[in-house]
Amino acid sequence: GAGVSQSPSNKVTEKGKDVELRCDPISGHTALYWYRQSLGQGLEFLIYFQGNSAPDKSGLPSDRFSAERTGGSVSTLTIQRTQQEDSAVYLCASNLFENTEAFFGQGTRLTVV
Amino acid sequence: RKEVEQDPGPFNVPEGATVAFNCTYSNSASQSFFWYRQDCRKEPKLLMSVYSSGNEDGRFTAQLNRASQYISLLIRDSKLSDSATYLCVVNMIDPRGSYIPTFGRGTSLIVHP
Repeated sequence: GAGVSQSPSNKVTEKGKDVELRCDPISGHTALYWYRQSLGQGLEFLIYFQGNSAPDKSGLPSDRFSAERTGGSVSTLTIQRTQQEDSAVYLCASNLFENTEAFFGQGTRLTVV
Repeated sequence: RKEVEQDPGPFNVPEGATVAFNCTYSNSASQSFFWYRQDCRKEPKLLMSVYSSGNEDGRFTAQLNRASQYISLLIRDSKLSDSATYLCVVNMIDPRGSYIPTFGRGTSLIVHP
């Protein structure tokens, strides 16, 4: 596609439920990143995929968070047993090569009630 | 100490003013530097890359001082439409040798008539 696509754009879930967030990067981009942005805060790095290499999970805040990237393209971020503090905008970005500028999707606004 | 630090502002300036934002980063091995713009409830979008020689794009000038680990953004002749949050982004190398776009918290700019 023309840009990074994320779905859903908004998600309201009950505390304790699992959620899946999807990211479809720009075609041909090898690197994919997930970030989280809480209200009024900066972007917090979560996880990074580069080609077929094992992902860099160093930013994941707890073991309730996991992500996968199938076929080097679409990525899914899964949050298990959601908590209210998980409420945030989850942003996905991709770039053509590592160390170049990243392009962002519009984000998924997650609200845990 | 945060890896990328910015003055959060807000900077409240009249139309036509010149305003400057600063950013410092902690990792001297960082390779690439960018300024992004983020409008309210929108995703970050690339404003400009920052090169060691300094670079200009219309009313915007970016500069990098590697020795001081300092980046700046100058906006001349401010327009109402420049009102946004400006994010300093540094591609920092992590222990795995991967470059991760690392964001400052952003500087808020409000341009008033």
